[in-house]
Amino acid sequence: AQTVTQSQPEMSVQEAETVTLSCTYDTSESDYYLFWYKQPPSRQMILVIRQEAYKQQNATENRFSVNFQKAAKSFSLKISDSQLGDAAMYFCAYRRRNNDMRFGAGTRLTVKP
Amino acid sequence: ETGVTQSPTHLIKTRGQQVTLRCSSQSGHNTVSWYQQALGQGPQFIFQYYREEENGRGNFPPRFSGLQFPNYSSELNVNALELDDSALYLCASTSSTDTQYFGPGTRLTVL
Repeated sequence: AQTVTQSQPEMSVQEAETVTLSCTYDTSESDYYLFWYKQPPSRQMILVIRQEAYKQQNATENRFSVNFQKAAKSFSLKISDSQLGDAAMYFCAYRRRNNDMRFGAGTRLTVKP
Repeated sequence: ETGVTQSPTHLIKTRGQQVTLRCSSQSGHNTVSWYQQALGQGPQFIFQYYREEENGRGNFPPRFSGLQFPNYSSELNVNALELDDSALYLCASTSSTDTQYFGPGTRLTVL
């Protein structure tokens, strides 16, 4: 079974600084996707970034980037130049092609002005 | 392009009742998945529909059932509601890049 572990229940960052959220996963598959989703108090789950396992290059979306270490089964999210609007729950998720998504327990990010 | 929509936003039911939640997928997406998110937890997969047929199911009892319609919209039905069914129910549709996009959710409270 595939499991996703987020070891940091809560993180805090100063506005304009950088923070890294950790995620590890367990799988015996070689072809899969990894995602980070953001869930603000409004509850809508918003896609932050997506990584395909066969791609060695780390995905980047503006201020968001990942450090994907396939052998170590690690998938961390780096948020640069943190903004107040980045405050939310962040979920790491794993998905095999055409299969269900497995989520971690989430990390609550607080951004201090 | 219209995103994923869900209705209703909130509802309150009593134990033993039945409930139907609705989801309209994003335009062009033919796969819909449903998730249950208990307070303070990550979403748990309930089931997935592709072209009107269930093609994947999580560890949920048969009283959780669903439908998908020809326009790819979907329903989640829960019979014999229990207190533990109180949760946020999320619907997601899958794009051509195999990425899931979520609706705003339905908050169900069972009293």
